[in-house]
Formats: sequence, C-alpha cells, structure tokens
Amino acid sequence: DAKTTQPPSMDCAEGRAANLPCNHSTISGNEYVYWYRQIHSQGPQYIIHGLKNNETNEMASLIITEDRKSSTLILPHATLRDTAVYYCIVSSIQGAQKLVFGQGTRLTINP
Amino acid sequence: GAVVSQHPSWVICKSGTSVKIECRSLDFQATTMFWYRQFPKQSLMLMATSNEGSKATYEQGVEKDKFLINHASLTLSTLTVTSAHPEDSSFYICSAPQGNTGELFFGEGSRLTVL
Repeated sequence: DAKTTQPPSMDCAEGRAANLPCNHSTISGNEYVYWYRQIHSQGPQYIIHGLKNNETNEMASLIITEDRKSSTLILPHATLRDTAVYYCIVSSIQGAQKLVFGQGTRLTINP
Repeated sequence: GAVVSQHPSWVICKSGTSVKIECRSLDFQATTMFWYRQFPKQSLMLMATSNEGSKATYEQGVEKDKFLINHASLTLSTLTVTSAHPEDSSFYICSAPQGNTGELFFGEGSRLTVL
C-alpha cells in the first residue's frame, strides 16, 4: 500500500473549518484514500473515503487533487469533540480491510 | 453503522498470568477480524488477522504462541495474551469489516496492565 505523509499536529479554533492535508504521491490507480480518527483512549472511527471524486458525508468532506497525489479532509465547523488523531490511509478496497496506520495528525480544537 | 464490542474494557493482571480479550460483532457477521496493539503516544500496530474457522495470520514479529487468537464463530474473536509480562501492557483494539466498501468498524479497545 502507498505511504502517506501528514503533519504531526494542527490547531483549529472552534467553529472554524479544519483542513487536514495528506500527501500520497505513490498512490496507485486502484487505491482509495481512507480517513479515520481516534479520540483519546477509544477505538478508531471511520470518517470518509474516496477514489478520485470529492466526497461529502455528515461528518466531513474529502477533497482529492486531480493527480490524486494529495488530499484534504475538511471538518466544516469544528467542535471541541473533534479533537483527535486523524489518520489518512491509502489502500485498495481489498487491502483496506487490513489497514496499516501511520502516525496521523493530532488535531486540537481550541475554544 | 455496524457495532463492534470488546470485553473487558480494561484489565489488570499479575505477571505470568494469561488474559483473554473478546471482540464481538453485535449486528453483523464477520469472517475476518483484525487485532491491533497501541502503546502510549504511538499509532496502532496490526498484530494479526483472525479468520473464522481457520488459523490466524500473524504479522511479522508477533509471536503466535504468545498471542493466541481464536475465531470460533462469525461474531466472536478472542485474543489471549499468555504468560503476560509488564511489556505486554498496552491498548488492544479489534476491528471487523462489514460490506465491501473497505470500511472497518473498531471496538472500544481493551487496556491491559500487567503488574
């Protein structure tokens, strides 16, 4: 599976949009971009995934660049409860069941 | 979404004893489950793939005789840490896929402390 690079930490003000970048320059054609988050001392939670089109659900939006070498997860109106470690993972649908986690981005939402 | 539950959520045991952690898929069947371990301030590390009705597949460096995995039914996988030592103290998390989107559902995690 392709490797991803994320900033180790980010801060965002409550109520503002949180934009979390992820680089995946070695992504291959059949690999999806998955985002999960882990709130302290809990199991990870699925957020969203996409192949090449932008995706949106009730939690977040995923913007994937045209060359698919990077993506951005957007939390449109961050709340304190969004403070967590966010993981960007690239994998094929088949391989996505066996996720390999990187270090992720520790997002802190400040009041 | 689908629910995966772990038990116990935390356990303290003496060095040398064995500890069993259960992972259940509550509202779906899972032929495959995954076990992760997470040390403080570190990311999740995949330990093994649990397969219903067959042997588990362990990641490189994970001792299969130390971490016994049993997937006896379509809704239950167990991880037994045998002869636990303080260095086995960690947060153990299981996950299971549902459907074919690649989405994984994770349990709440089980925190093991070995004294």
